[in-house]
Amino acid sequence: DAGVTQSPTHLIKTRGQQVTLRCSPKSGHDTVSWYQQALGQGPQFIFQYYEEEERQRGNFPDRFSGHQFPNYSSELNVNALLLGDSALYLCASSLEITAGNEQFFGPGTRLTVL
Amino acid sequence: QKEVEQDPGPLSVPEGAIVSLNCTYSNSAFQYFMWYRQYSRKGPELLMYTYSSGNKEDGRFTAQVDKSSKYISLFIRDSQPSDSATYLCAMRRGSTLGRLYFGRGTQLTVWP
Repeated sequence: DAGVTQSPTHLIKTRGQQVTLRCSPKSGHDTVSWYQQALGQGPQFIFQYYEEEERQRGNFPDRFSGHQFPNYSSELNVNALLLGDSALYLCASSLEITAGNEQFFGPGTRLTVL
Repeated sequence: QKEVEQDPGPLSVPEGAIVSLNCTYSNSAFQYFMWYRQYSRKGPELLMYTYSSGNKEDGRFTAQVDKSSKYISLFIRDSQPSDSATYLCAMRRGSTLGRLYFGRGTQLTVWP
């Protein structure tokens, strides 16, 4: 049973550029959440997608946007990159119908902005 | 004040020791409590998941939740060098909206 997968593993961009990160949820899961983890910090919630719609958002600017596809996979887009966007970007998947909605994380995409 | 507080450590113990990790929180609406283990430069791995107050045991791991004190703990018995990692506490409200609120993580080293 494949777990959550993310691509690419690493990415280096320069300030002002745009980036797209991808996530495939665990088999059978229908909800995808994205988190940003700066070095030495806990993950911070960016947003969550369910039924192809963003239904909850954390305290991140509009430069951060996303999409969920009919097969439940998801993309995170970041425009006008800043040095402070350098972080590990984590995708987590869960199944909406389960009472606990346990979230399982992928390995992350490490983004470096120069 | 952050919603979830966790001492970042580092914490260093000998193999076989009992490890105690804890978090405090301020939002009384939190009802689901989790502990994740994160190895260096990897994604978090779900270790323990509890609902409301009480204890939960899984092998060498025990999670405790005291909602009256807004305090959660993770105990690791007979610690092993392979337990060396960062331990993140996380929690969320009782609604179906699944946003997790994380502590900053405690870095644990178990030396042989």
